[in-house]
Amino acid sequence: GESVGLHLPTLSVQEGDNSIINCAYSNSASDYFIWYKQESGKGPQFIIDIRSNMDKRQGQRVTVLLNKTVKHLSLQIAATQPGDSAVYFCAENKGYSTLTFGKGTMLLVSP
Amino acid sequence: DTAVSQTPKYLVTQMGNDKSIKCEQNLGHDTMYWYKQDSKKFLKIMFSYNNKELIINETVPNRFSPKSPDKAHLNLHINSLELGDSAVYFCASSKTGPGNTIYFGEGSWLTVV
Repeated sequence: GESVGLHLPTLSVQEGDNSIINCAYSNSASDYFIWYKQESGKGPQFIIDIRSNMDKRQGQRVTVLLNKTVKHLSLQIAATQPGDSAVYFCAENKGYSTLTFGKGTMLLVSP
Repeated sequence: DTAVSQTPKYLVTQMGNDKSIKCEQNLGHDTMYWYKQDSKKFLKIMFSYNNKELIINETVPNRFSPKSPDKAHLNLHINSLELGDSAVYFCASSKTGPGNTIYFGEGSWLTVV
């Protein structure tokens, strides 16, 4: 399940399940969105991006959905694997502005 | 080959000391950044340089001074370290222009005691 509190929001899933990580972004004028994965002890790594003229974009096992009406972004991971366990960040920007990162969601995958 | 590399990876130092973190990127990018990640994993931009020139300087104490000797390097020098400076510092780079992916280094874990 998903929990939000003083600690990082955490999503716990079983191996093989599909995972959905959600993000509410703040700037309605943002036109570029990215999902990053950060494994323990490492830097954030690019997963997938989407521009505001699209609603959906697919990669290998990952899909990003953008709902501009409610300023919501989601990352879907198909057939989640233990190696997917990490903290996931959404990030947004507009034009030449620097990326602004969301708070992050920890994904825990149990074998 | 590591695209964005930063050293040292771990740094433990006493309050009041001065320390530097070095960063280099071999991606041919024109823009480099320093981000700070706190204990709650929140990532916040500190500085951004484009072709060796400072373009973003968020509300960061002036004890923090970035230096870019060329567009492939962006070093971070911190004077008079304080306990609250303990964090993970990430260097990053990107192409210049809107909608360009930012690539991060592996981070430098700074602990001030």
